[in-house]
Amino acid sequence: DIVMTQSPDSLAVSLGERATISCKSSQSVLYSSNNKDYLAWYQQKPGQPPKLLIYWASTRESGVPDRFSGSGSGTDFTLTISSLQAEDVAVYYCQQCYSTPYTFGQGTKLEIK
Amino acid sequence: EVQLVESGGGLVQPGGSLRLSCAASGFTFSSYWIHWVRQAPGKGLVWVSRINNDGSGTTYADSAKGRFTISRDNAKNTVYLQMNSLRAEDTAVYYCARLNHGGAEDYWGQGTLVTVSS
Repeated sequence: DIVMTQSPDSLAVSLGERATISCKSSQSVLYSSNNKDYLAWYQQKPGQPPKLLIYWASTRESGVPDRFSGSGSGTDFTLTISSLQAEDVAVYYCQQCYSTPYTFGQGTKLEIK
Repeated sequence: EVQLVESGGGLVQPGGSLRLSCAASGFTFSSYWIHWVRQAPGKGLVWVSRINNDGSGTTYADSAKGRFTISRDNAKNTVYLQMNSLRAEDTAVYYCARLNHGGAEDYWGQGTLVTVSS
């Protein structure tokens, strides 16, 4: 199984500041046939299901604010929130969609400083 | 509007069975793969199972193999998860989710809680 490791486990950022979450996979999730990294990012608020933010490592899902961006390739990935808003307080998960089981990172809890 | 609605959760004794349902609407159901993902109370997300668009292909996490069976009825726009030999560690909210073209889960239901306890 591919192991997904996020860092940090929790993060406190001031409103309007940048938040950065890292995700590392134990093996590459780059699909050579289409040169796409099968890495997704989700946001989960308390009592709600996860919400897809980013897929293919950097493609923003429709309707997701452009302050959210994803980067990276191979085994190292980053989710960046360029200017933190109060509504961004949540737990963020990365997931590899390259091979089953589709493993998630342990989650990063983002709070306001 | 795309909707996924889970049902069938509840309290069950260890060793018991439950069948979860995921009713879909608002999209061409027969064109999409569907996943089940679970989340134990206060814990992270764990992928459980998937089924392809016509039901001919299924995959399971090791924790579900031999105990859980995923199936679908495209005429009813519904996916099922039959769970047998339930254990305390299966206690979780179970979500169904639609798979998008990028391999990610783009729409999720609100989840149904399964509690395994005597």
